[in-house]
Amino acid sequence: QVQLQESGPGLVKPSGTLSLTCAVSGGSISGSNWWSWVRQPPGKGLEWIGEIYESGSTNYNPTLKSRVTISVDKAKNQFSVKLSSVTAADTAVYYCARNGDHYFDYWGQGTLVTVSS
Amino acid sequence: QTVVTQEPSFSVSPGGTVTLTCGLSSGSVSTSYYPTWYQQTPGQAPRTLIYSTNTRSSGVPDRFSGSILGNKAALTITGAQADDESDYYCVLYMGSDYYVFGTGTKVTVL
Repeated sequence: QVQLQESGPGLVKPSGTLSLTCAVSGGSISGSNWWSWVRQPPGKGLEWIGEIYESGSTNYNPTLKSRVTISVDKAKNQFSVKLSSVTAADTAVYYCARNGDHYFDYWGQGTLVTVSS
Repeated sequence: QTVVTQEPSFSVSPGGTVTLTCGLSSGSVSTSYYPTWYQQTPGQAPRTLIYSTNTRSSGVPDRFSGSILGNKAALTITGAQADDESDYYCVLYMGSDYYVFGTGTKVTVL
């Protein structure tokens, strides 16, 4: 059973960079899957941020593309997201997920990141 | 910017049937968008109900079914139960390695 666990600072200052890591267990990140980040502002809906393959190939949500970088560390079986120039609008629960066949089949429990001074 | 629309809320009686829909701001939803449906309760990660339009995820009761109705994807709950009271989200694969979630529907069972 694949398990994902997000980690990172729960508080980021405005204009700073949000950085989170997703540790994958119960399976290898070097398989045939893509790996995604999804976020959910408090009381609002879900938003796909982007995805990465083991090779390092990435795809991003066009609305966030200029601020997002997703990377993979195969040796540590984990992948990460960085979001720059954050504002209060970036306050959200951030989930990492594994892509199945055009959907997200395994999810982390999510981690709340608050942007505030 | 593509918008995927869902009904904001629905109320259903226990044992009743409700159909939620997932549409595009422009164009029609087809199986090529691989519509997927998630159920989410407060404080929890989304749970996959239906993927690839109508394939039920492992362990999902058969009272949940997916389809294409007209120009939208649809999730039908037949014989609603109290623990079906949740938020429901659809997500569409836009074909250019880009996913868009729907706006979400809050289902109340009473």
